[in-house]
Amino acid sequence: DTAVSQTPKYLVTQMGNDKSIKCEQNLGHDTMYWYKQDSKKFLKIMFSYNNKELIINETVPNRFSPKSPDKAHLNLHINSLELGDSAVYFCASSQDLQNQPQHFGDGTRLSIL
Amino acid sequence: KQEVTQIPAALSVPEGENLVLNCSFTDSAIYNLQWFRQDPGKGLTSLLLIQSSQREQTSGRLNASLDKSSGRSTLYIAASQPGDSATYLCAVPSSGGSYIPTFGRGTSLIVHP
Repeated sequence: DTAVSQTPKYLVTQMGNDKSIKCEQNLGHDTMYWYKQDSKKFLKIMFSYNNKELIINETVPNRFSPKSPDKAHLNLHINSLELGDSAVYFCASSQDLQNQPQHFGDGTRLSIL
Repeated sequence: KQEVTQIPAALSVPEGENLVLNCSFTDSAIYNLQWFRQDPGKGLTSLLLIQSSQREQTSGRLNASLDKSSGRSTLYIAASQPGDSATYLCAVPSSGGSYIPTFGRGTSLIVHP
């Protein structure tokens, strides 16, 4: 069983479109995260939710809106996609904010045409 | 602001060598440090987590040490194998008491037979 699963694995779309990436974890963790890895492989946190509440919101454009319907899910919706949004987006989870380690999904590769 | 540096950026070695990967961070007020590996097209896999009160952690052929006062951690890989080829990243909280992880840019390792 996959611990942290993301869909879709690949997403190719045009500028200006709206898209969503879904993430689910079956580890019973309280905390979930979204990361962005750019073309130079630099990994940076975007959001963190703990028990469905937003804890960390880094300097991310408000076109990005996370939604956590329950502890096991953290989805990422992106409005008005721009060329600079092209990257690999990773979802991760951990038992809580302090008790790492984090478990990562395999990523969603987003390409903006 | 926490800055994490990993040296070397890339490493290519023959099978069987013992390796040392370095991670340095600017703000030593951290509560843990984590080492990950990332395989191409995959998410991150947690290797070792060292709490601030610990000096080292071991898992199989891997040993990670932490020297908070000097802001450094090393990942030691014994008897390297081709299957160890991957990118290795370290991550620390962005500042004292913060839950925001800051990642280094990684060391890309190739172990050739």
